[in-house]
Amino acid sequence: GAVVSQHPSWVICKSGTSVKIECRSLDFQATTMFWYRQFPKQSLMLMATSNEGSKATYEQGVEKDKFLINHASLTLSTLTVTSAHPEDSSFYICSAREGTVLPLHFGNGTRLTVT
Amino acid sequence: GQQVMQIPQYQHVQEGEDFTTYCNSSTTLSNIQWYKQRPGGHPVFLIQLVKSGEVKKQKRLTFQFGEAKKNSSLHITATQTTDVGTYFCAGPRNQGGKLIFGQGTELSVKP
Repeated sequence: GAVVSQHPSWVICKSGTSVKIECRSLDFQATTMFWYRQFPKQSLMLMATSNEGSKATYEQGVEKDKFLINHASLTLSTLTVTSAHPEDSSFYICSAREGTVLPLHFGNGTRLTVT
Repeated sequence: GQQVMQIPQYQHVQEGEDFTTYCNSSTTLSNIQWYKQRPGGHPVFLIQLVKSGEVKKQKRLTFQFGEAKKNSSLHITATQTTDVGTYFCAGPRNQGGKLIFGQGTELSVKP
């Protein structure tokens, strides 16, 4: 089955630093990947859609300069949380699909804690 | 805007009891998907329903898609401790097809 690998699984960083999260589709090509954010006991909120070879499209209210997305290849998308603050602490999950076919395959998620 | 609502938010059951979670969309959906997220884990796809009135079963799980394609339900018969987790429904947004997730129903099962 389709596998999406996300790294790191957890990260603790100091306020003001930047953190990069990688999302890889291991056995399929993903022209589109999605980045979600999930607060404890809440639903998944779509942050942005990562498009291979073009700019990401961000959901309303998500700062594109703070959450930098790069989709450099058909198997890799990265999310960089720049100048992280404690309120950015959350569970970040990427997902991908094969072409336009659902369902979504999710990575294991990254738990970010900003101190 | 388009919304997908899910109830209840939490459900605590005794092992062996049944469980149902309900999903309602503010708009007609082309399909609806269900995902399960174990505590500390990531969402895992369970099933997709496409047809009006569709019913699908996976062992003790029964999924229904409403006739108007605006609501759906997931029913678990005789819950087990392995059923613990949060169940999300999700439907594609009208524009762009991106998935909108319901708030999820967190199921806890007491042995």
